[in-house]
Amino acid sequence: EAHLVESGGDLVQPGGSLRLSCAASGFSFSDYEMTWVRQAPGKGLEWVSYISHDTATIFYADSVRGRFTISRDNAKNSLFLQMNSLRAEDTAVYYCASGFYYDAWGQGTLVTVSS
Amino acid sequence: DVVMTQSPDSLAVSLGERATIRCKSSQNLLYNSNSKTYLAWYQQKPGQPPKLLIYWAFTRDSGVPDRFSGSGSETDFTLTISSLQAEDVAVYYCHQYYSAPYSFGQGTKLEIK
Repeated sequence: EAHLVESGGDLVQPGGSLRLSCAASGFSFSDYEMTWVRQAPGKGLEWVSYISHDTATIFYADSVRGRFTISRDNAKNSLFLQMNSLRAEDTAVYYCASGFYYDAWGQGTLVTVSS
Repeated sequence: DVVMTQSPDSLAVSLGERATIRCKSSQNLLYNSNSKTYLAWYQQKPGQPPKLLIYWAFTRDSGVPDRFSGSGSETDFTLTISSLQAEDVAVYYCHQYYSAPYSFGQGTKLEIK
């Protein structure tokens, strides 16, 4: 059974940086595309970024393009999201999810951007 | 970009009754080369991550009760719960994975009447 665990969420000041990680287990990570989805407090789901299994294809939401970078290490079954120039509106729980349609999700990690 | 619009925003249904949630996409989600429709449905309960219910518009994920069904085509889709149970109280989201940037509907909050 697929298992995803996010980490790295924290309180950070506007303009700051943060790196999120997602540790995967229970499935062949290197065969699956991966996605970051976020959810602001009391709001709906927002798709953030996608990376193909081989890193050949990467997509970003307009709201994060140029500030966030998605990456993965297939040897370590890990997915990452480097977040720079953080803004208050980036405050959210960040989930990693696996597959083309998201059949496994982590529990999420909270990122709070505030001074 | 593909915009997903759900209706209603909230819904109250009596136990044992049918619940219907609609989702409309701004573009056709049917990929003609493989005849697959790139539409999924998720259920999210308070304090939990979303859970996949339906993919390819009408295929139930493993372990999902058969009271949940997906239907529709091209731009108009429906999630139906045939007989509402107490544990179905949640927010439901549709999601298109046809074209990046991939996108979700705004969510429909389902409650017991």
